[in-house]
This record gives sequence, C-alpha cells and structure tokens, in this order.
Amino acid sequence: DGGITQSPKYLFRKEGQNVTLSCEQNLNHDAMYWYRQDPGQGLRLIYYSQIVNDFQKGDIAEGYSVSREKKESFPLTVTSAQKNPTAFYLCASSRSGVWGTSNEQFFGPGTRLTVL
Amino acid sequence: GQQLNQSPQSMFIQEGEDVSMNCTSSSIFNTWLWYKQDPGEGPVLLIALYKAGELTSNGRLTAQFGITRKDSFLNISASIPSDVGIYFCAGPSQGAQKLVFGQGTRLTINP
Repeated sequence: DGGITQSPKYLFRKEGQNVTLSCEQNLNHDAMYWYRQDPGQGLRLIYYSQIVNDFQKGDIAEGYSVSREKKESFPLTVTSAQKNPTAFYLCASSRSGVWGTSNEQFFGPGTRLTVL
Repeated sequence: GQQLNQSPQSMFIQEGEDVSMNCTSSSIFNTWLWYKQDPGEGPVLLIALYKAGELTSNGRLTAQFGITRKDSFLNISASIPSDVGIYFCAGPSQGAQKLVFGQGTRLTINP
C-alpha cells in the first residue's frame, strides 16, 4: 500500500523538551515537506527537501530542524527554541519540483503535538 | 511574495445546495490544485488543473483554470454531509520547488 505515514497521531511533551516527528513515504518521491497548521488556519511551510542530503528553510523554520538521510524519510525535530510548538504538523511528498504533475503534493495524516 | 486569496473564508449551507468558491492571485500560475481537508486529517488532492481554460470534473466536483491564469474556481453540486471540511487551493511557487496555499474555505452543511 503506497502512501505517507506519520507517527504518532497524538504526541504530548513537556515544555523545554525536544521532540522528533516521524514522516515516511513509500511513493518513491524525491521531494518532501513539513507544514504547520494552527487551529482554523492555513498551512505554513517549515522545511522542504528536494533531494536526499539537502533541505531548505520554509517560511517558519525557526525552532525546527530536519534531516534527509534517506529518500523515504524526513523527520522533523521541534526544539525547545520553538516558542509555540503546540500545533498540527503535516508531512507531504511530491515527485519533484519540476513543472507539471510532479507539483502535486500528497499529505500524511498529521501529528498533533501538544506541549504542556 | 506570491499569495493566493480564497473566497469565501467560510460557508454555511443546507444539504443539497450547490457550492461555489474561488481562488485568486495577482501572479500567474501554471498549475492549480484543489485539496480538501477533513477535521483532524491531512489534505487530500481533489482536482489538478494544468491548462488555462481547462474545466475538470471529479464526481460532483468541478474545477476551472481561469483564462487569465490568475484564478480558479471549484464548484460542488448537490452537497452532502461528507462534503464538510476545509478546501484549499494551491499552485507552484516561482521556481516550482514548493506550493503556495490559499487560506482555505471552511464548508459547513446543515442537514
């Protein structure tokens, strides 16, 4: 079954702790993305990666870090430097950043992070 | 930077009514994507448009790529309760390495 998995669905952490969110895809997509969504709001891009071992900051990268050591995996770490980490985090992937059908991004089910 | 403006921000309709929403930009887009997000889930791609003037249907959903390439429309006919959710439009940024998303249209249906 091809798709994107994010785990866990719900995550609770104490303030001041770093936490890593998992994102795995078996679609053989080159590009992967992390978004943050706050209640009643749209999607804001945190980080993206077009290829293994390379990634770029999105619009709200401060307080977050990523790695892309494998094509199928793009974990996101929410560090203690992120001032308001409680949010819904979405991972997505696409074939590549080239014009055409490869722009289509496919999303995982999301992880809801609550920092207490 | 590029922005997509969705209208309306929210809609409250009766079951069975038709729905129309749109997405506009001051910039030209070469692709328009429409997503639907159910509460607590990730967005799902509904329709993709690649050519100016293109009209594409997916069941009760119909989307159009505006002729100026600066807008797109999504229509839902004969709405049903499972149509509830947030609808997002999106298009590739200049350089095409990422997508620009609209702020979403939240659809609520009264049975």
